[in-house]
Amino acid sequence: KQEVTQIPAALSVPEGENLVLNCSFTDSAIYNLQWFRQDPGKGLTSLLLIQSSQREQTSGRLNASLDKSSGRSTLYIAASQPGDSATYLCALNYGGATNKLIFGTGTLLAVQP
Amino acid sequence: ETGVTQSPTHLIKTRGQQVTLRCSSQSGHNTVSWYQQALGQGPQFIFQYYREEENGRGNFPPRFSGLQFPNYSSELNVNALELDDSALYLCASSQGRTQETQYFGPGTRLLVL
Repeated sequence: KQEVTQIPAALSVPEGENLVLNCSFTDSAIYNLQWFRQDPGKGLTSLLLIQSSQREQTSGRLNASLDKSSGRSTLYIAASQPGDSATYLCALNYGGATNKLIFGTGTLLAVQP
Repeated sequence: ETGVTQSPTHLIKTRGQQVTLRCSSQSGHNTVSWYQQALGQGPQFIFQYYREEENGRGNFPPRFSGLQFPNYSSELNVNALELDDSALYLCASSQGRTQETQYFGPGTRLLVL
């Protein structure tokens, strides 16, 4: 069974701190992995997408890494800001006949000013 | 270029009723996927439509059904609503039916009383 786990479930940090969010998965035969941001009651905003052949992707203050052998991905946020407060979800695409994404339960991040 | 739109934004129904949710895909996209996100959980894949045909389905009962129209917009229909159907319903569109990046709409919040 393909399962995705995100730890921690919630995180509170002071503004300016660097932080790491974790995503682990049981089946490493992924096609790609994506990190999303979700504001309360809203849809999903794609942050970074890593293909299975890649090790990391960067966008601004965000860096996502992928280690298929250990079944792990991390999202690193540098110099956190109150505007980064949201739920962060990782999602795996295993390819096949559809674009189906398998999501983790998310990490709720609060950045305190 | 317009993004993915969904209507309505919020909906309240009573148990046993039927509901129809609507999704307009992003320009140039021919595939729509639907997800259910219960409170505090990650989204769960319901099904995907490609060129007006269902081409993949998650673990949801038959009372969850859908349609895709020639302009690639889509509907999600849920019959015999249950309290547990209360959730945020997200649709996502993509350019193809497999291994494609998906773009999510803002969601429809459904409350079943």
